[in-house]
Amino acid sequence: GAVVSQHPSRVICKSGTSVKIECRSLDFQATTMFWYRQFPKKSLMLMATSNEGSKATYEQGVEKDKFLINHASLTLSTLTVTSAHPEDSSFYICSASVYDTYEQYFGPGTRLTVT
Amino acid sequence: AQSVTQPDIHITVSEGASLELRCNYSYGATPYLFWYVQSPGQGLQLLLKYFSGDTLVQGIKGFEAEFKRSQSSFNLRKPSVHWSDAAEYFCAVGLTGGGNKLTFGTGTQLKVEL
Repeated sequence: GAVVSQHPSRVICKSGTSVKIECRSLDFQATTMFWYRQFPKKSLMLMATSNEGSKATYEQGVEKDKFLINHASLTLSTLTVTSAHPEDSSFYICSASVYDTYEQYFGPGTRLTVT
Repeated sequence: AQSVTQPDIHITVSEGASLELRCNYSYGATPYLFWYVQSPGQGLQLLLKYFSGDTLVQGIKGFEAEFKRSQSSFNLRKPSVHWSDAAEYFCAVGLTGGGNKLTFGTGTQLKVEL
């Protein structure tokens, strides 16, 4: 149980275009989803927290207009990287959680490359 | 400021040898503590967690961790490492009332020599 999927696993896009990444909890309802960014050989950096039906809460330094997060249902959250640039190339990971349990279940990640 | 420290960036052990990965945290109160493992191409998998109670916690894949309040530590151990344990290991902490948010350490890359 507690499986989280991400789609796509890899994406290459051209500079200036937008990319959407989906995160789904397959066998449970996630009240909270988290989006992380992971640089090579680095830890996970929390970008934002999204609760179903409400606006995402972004961490300091994360541009909310560039990284649009939608959490429309208890099983789906999306991250849209708008007007992507090469510096946005990274590994993006989502996780899903049930409120107040503190356990997060992680998706396999999405490798974004902006050319 | 809250922080999680994993002092060892890389560790190499021989297969069959014992393993200890260090994790220290800096928080005002006792946090919730986790160890995750990340294998290439796979998502983070929870190895074990500590919320309260017995300070020695058993996890999956033969791992255990011990919470030591006096040392603000939550070190991960395994008595006999297998080659398949080679991966990146992350310690993470969460705080009561923190809205399920976790703060991760910088990770320890484990290499297993055959």
